[in-house]
Amino acid sequence: QKEVEQNSGPLSVPEGAIASLNCTYSDRGSQSFFWYRQYSGKSPELIMSIYSNGDKEDGRFTAQLNKASQYVSLLIRDSQPSDSATYLCAVNTGTASKLTFGTGTRLQVTL
Amino acid sequence: EPEVTQTPSHQVTQMGQEVILRCVPISNHLYFYWYRQILGQKVEFLVSFYNNEISEKSEIFDDQFSVERPDGSNFTLKIRSTKLEDSAMYFCASSEIGTAKNIQYFGAGTRLSVL
Repeated sequence: QKEVEQNSGPLSVPEGAIASLNCTYSDRGSQSFFWYRQYSGKSPELIMSIYSNGDKEDGRFTAQLNKASQYVSLLIRDSQPSDSATYLCAVNTGTASKLTFGTGTRLQVTL
Repeated sequence: EPEVTQTPSHQVTQMGQEVILRCVPISNHLYFYWYRQILGQKVEFLVSFYNNEISEKSEIFDDQFSVERPDGSNFTLKIRSTKLEDSAMYFCASSEIGTAKNIQYFGAGTRLSVL
């Protein structure tokens, strides 16, 4: 059973702080890793994709991947109240295949 | 910006009835997917579809479910004889290419309520 694990939270950070979201996965054959943001009652919206070990930055978001440790993370700098949502980690293990999602981490950015 | 369109946004049905959920993928995308999310739970893969046939399906996707691309734009999920436990958000997704780097874009979803 290929699993993606996330802490369900809530993770509460003050406005302007850095939010750090973590995800581990069980399948060493995993090739692609994605972070989606999901507001309550809405669909997943892609935030970041990462395919190689190391960091990938896009604006206030940085994704980090460590395949040896089977670990992927998302850092959100200068957190805003509008960042309050559930962040879903998703893993793709092959070509055109399914995404396996974690349960998501609920982030609350407080004023 | 191109987007995946799903209709209806909310479907209410009686247990035992058949429902068809509709999706219009992004026009140049070739790979299509259905996922579902039961309230408070994780997003779960149901089925992927390419070149007019199923390429992969999960254990959830049993004989009760079927998918079809009836024309050049629509992609449908049919649920026969709905059960209470089929109540969930159903998301359609599409991707342009079939590599491991393929990014799947999600529609807004259809909320299915089985009474």
